[in-house]
Amino acid sequence: GAGVSQTPSNKVTEKGKYVELRCDPISGHTALYWYRQSLGQGPEFLIYFQGTGAADDSGLPNDRFFAVRPEGSVSTLKIQRTERGDSAVYLCASSLMSSREQFFGPGTRLTVL
Amino acid sequence: GDSVTQMEGPVTLSEEAFLTINCTYTATGYPSLFWYVQYPGEGLQLLLKATKADDKGSNKGFEATYRKETTSFHLEKGSVQVSDSAVYFCALFHAGNNRKLIWGLGTSLAVNP
Repeated sequence: GAGVSQTPSNKVTEKGKYVELRCDPISGHTALYWYRQSLGQGPEFLIYFQGTGAADDSGLPNDRFFAVRPEGSVSTLKIQRTERGDSAVYLCASSLMSSREQFFGPGTRLTVL
Repeated sequence: GDSVTQMEGPVTLSEEAFLTINCTYTATGYPSLFWYVQYPGEGLQLLLKATKADDKGSNKGFEATYRKETTSFHLEKGSVQVSDSAVYFCALFHAGNNRKLIWGLGTSLAVNP
């Protein structure tokens, strides 16, 4: 079966622009997570969805970051007024609610010039 | 709060050498522990896991034992191959953390022929 997919794989944007990053979880996985990974670091938690609602958004760094999952499947991470410090690989993962194992997508590499 | 400490890399070994990557954690209660691997240019993949004390996770010749008394989950392999060259991440899952994974910084392994 298909794994977690993320688009685009690479995104280059200019400072101040708006970007959207998309995640398609594994079919049937009700839990969805966004992480951010900077070079030489482990992933950093951003937000967790249980179905359509954000169960924990405590990792979002500020109000420029927002994520949605309107139908409980695909999720979009939205970043407004991008800054150079937002450059990182954005990872999406999904899991069954009954499982502690998270399956990761390949990530979107965001570069803000 | 919960945390994971991993031995710093990079680690460079010759083929067929013995590998140990240390991982210790801080958490209340009984977390689940994971090792993820990130091969060059690829996404994070679950390597092995252990969900309770004294469990041993194993996969692809790698092993790690959940030691509650020393709060450790060290990764070992008896004979590494060039194809094991990757970055290895230790991670902790605790239901009290609203299902997010807490990560170590990662250890880069290079295996030379």
